[in-house]
Amino acid sequence: DQQVKQNSPSLSVQEGRISILNCDYTNSMFDYFLWYKKYPAEGPTFLISISSIKDKNEDGRFTVFLNKSAKHLSLHIVPSQPGDSAVYFCAASGGSGSARQLTFGSGTQLTVLP
Amino acid sequence: KAGVTQTPRYLIKTRGQQVTLSCSPISGHRSVSWYQQTPGQGLQFLFEYFSETQRNKGNFPGRFSGRQFSNSRSEMNVSTLELGDSALYLCASSPSDRHNSPLHFGNGTRLTVT
Repeated sequence: DQQVKQNSPSLSVQEGRISILNCDYTNSMFDYFLWYKKYPAEGPTFLISISSIKDKNEDGRFTVFLNKSAKHLSLHIVPSQPGDSAVYFCAASGGSGSARQLTFGSGTQLTVLP
Repeated sequence: KAGVTQTPRYLIKTRGQQVTLSCSPISGHRSVSWYQQTPGQGLQFLFEYFSETQRNKGNFPGRFSGRQFSNSRSEMNVSTLELGDSALYLCASSPSDRHNSPLHFGNGTRLTVT
């Protein structure tokens, strides 16, 4: 039972354009969501997170949007750069009172073309 | 600040053997989590330790165990290795065990069981 789904295994965008990565979840108890970036032979690097009490969080070129009613979140990268090419994982955690345990999606390979 | 350090980076073991992996968290971080990454199952939660206490355990057999020391360093042990245990084992640390405290991952230990 996949509680966190990233339905697009890959995405290609041109340098300078917007990259939009999507993630869906099924467990309504999740209340904290994170995005990680992973380069080959390295561990995941934390990018940005959002609490369920918000619907948007920005950090530089990265913005995460959360739509609780649709159980959907997305990561926007603007403008995209070749160095952003990596696998992006969304992860979820929750709810209050429960021990932390991140549930990860299967990842989306982003390729930014120069 | 030094990141999460995992040793060794690569390990080859034979079925039936046991293995111990080591993790040094970021200085000041008291929570250490372990995740297994495989091509088929993705990133899966193994366990989390905070202040030397196991806070949560994922759905893995009892052959997988761990511990945390007073200096927050952690080890995980896998006994009676099986071929299916071949994976990238990732350690992550965070300042606390709260849901909104993002995990910071090391580069992992690649375990191959032959």
